[in-house]
Amino acid sequence: KNQVEQSPQSLIILEGKNCTLQCNYTVSPFSNLRWYKQDTGRGPVSLTIMTFSENTKSNGRYTATLDADTKQSSLHITASQLSDSASYICVVSARGAGSYQLTFGKGTKLSVIP
Amino acid sequence: EAQVTQNPRYLITVTGKKLTVTCSQNMNHEYMSWYRQDPGLGLRQIYYSMNVEVTDKGDVPEGYKVSRKEKRNFPLILESPSPNQTSLYFCASSFGQATYEQYFGPGTRLTVT
Repeated sequence: KNQVEQSPQSLIILEGKNCTLQCNYTVSPFSNLRWYKQDTGRGPVSLTIMTFSENTKSNGRYTATLDADTKQSSLHITASQLSDSASYICVVSARGAGSYQLTFGKGTKLSVIP
Repeated sequence: EAQVTQNPRYLITVTGKKLTVTCSQNMNHEYMSWYRQDPGLGLRQIYYSMNVEVTDKGDVPEGYKVSRKEKRNFPLILESPSPNQTSLYFCASSFGQATYEQYFGPGTRLTVT
């Protein structure tokens, strides 16, 4: 069964500090891995999409890494801001026969405090 | 502005009263899908559509129906809502399933009493 595990479940950091969120998956055959940011009560917003051949992808202060061998990904946030407070969701896509199946992690809730 | 819209944003209804949540996108996307989000369970896919008149079940389709008569619209129908369908619902769209960015709507918070 395809699964995506995220850690930690929640995290509190001081404004200006860096942090790293983890995503481990058992999804095959792997197609791509996505990170989303979801503000409370709002729809998720895409941060990065990485395919098998991509190790690192950045979007401003957000940098995602992918190790397809160990089936792990991380999302690094640099110089955190109060607006980074949100849930971060890892989603892995598996390629099936004629379609793709998305497996969602339960998210990491990040709180950035002054 | 490119966007996915959902209506209504909030809805309180009673058990058994049929309802429809509309979803519309203005980006000419072929792929659309519905999700529900519950505390501790994350996002779960209800139904998806790869194109007009093509729909398929996701992970939790029981109690829901969808239709895709036009490319831009993908309504979610609850024929006989029950309290366990109380949830936050999101519609999403993209050009395709593969590596295309998925755009989510603002969400519909549904309460069934």
